[in-house]
Amino acid sequence: DQQVKQNSPSLSVQEGRISILNCDYTNSMFDYFLWYKKYPAEGPTFLISISSIKDKNEDGRFTVFLNKSAKHLSLHIVPSQPGDSAVYFCAASSSSNTGKLIFGQGTTLQVKP
Amino acid sequence: DTEVTQTPKHLVMGMTNKKSLKCEQHMGHRAMYWYKQKAKKPPELMFVYSYEKLSINESVPSRFSPECPNSSLLNLHLHALQPEDSALYLCASSQVFFAGSRYGYTFGSGTRLTVV
Repeated sequence: DQQVKQNSPSLSVQEGRISILNCDYTNSMFDYFLWYKKYPAEGPTFLISISSIKDKNEDGRFTVFLNKSAKHLSLHIVPSQPGDSAVYFCAASSSSNTGKLIFGQGTTLQVKP
Repeated sequence: DTEVTQTPKHLVMGMTNKKSLKCEQHMGHRAMYWYKQKAKKPPELMFVYSYEKLSINESVPSRFSPECPNSSLLNLHLHALQPEDSALYLCASSQVFFAGSRYGYTFGSGTRLTVV
């Protein structure tokens, strides 16, 4: 049972445009959501997180939006840069369940120059 | 020092071998984790150590044996593995356990394990 789903395995975007990566979850007990970026041959790098009491969190070019009623979150990257090309993982945790992170399958983003 | 260092980067072992993976961090983090990642799959939690004590074992087979000798070191001892155990093994740390699920872990680059 995949509690965190990233239904798009890949996304291709032109440099300078907006990248939108999507994530859906099924467990209504999740109260924190995180995005990680992973380059080949490296470990995942934490990007940005959002608490379930918020609907938006922004950090530079990265903004995460949370729609609790739809159990959906998205990561917006504006403007996209070729260096953003990587695999992006969505992750979620529940304070009531030990707080461990559950990861989605990942979306491979390619930003074309 | 803001890194998690994992050694070796690559490991090939036979099914009768005994080997160990090593993870080290000097950020003063008190929670450390082992994750397993198969190709095109998300990382899956194996073990969590909090203040050098095993807090979570995700029903991992006993052929994987974790050890936390001190607050900076985490080992994963491997014995009698199967070819299906071939994967990327990731170590991570966070200030404390719940902080990791709020503010993110720091991951190492992983050990690419191949069991032949």
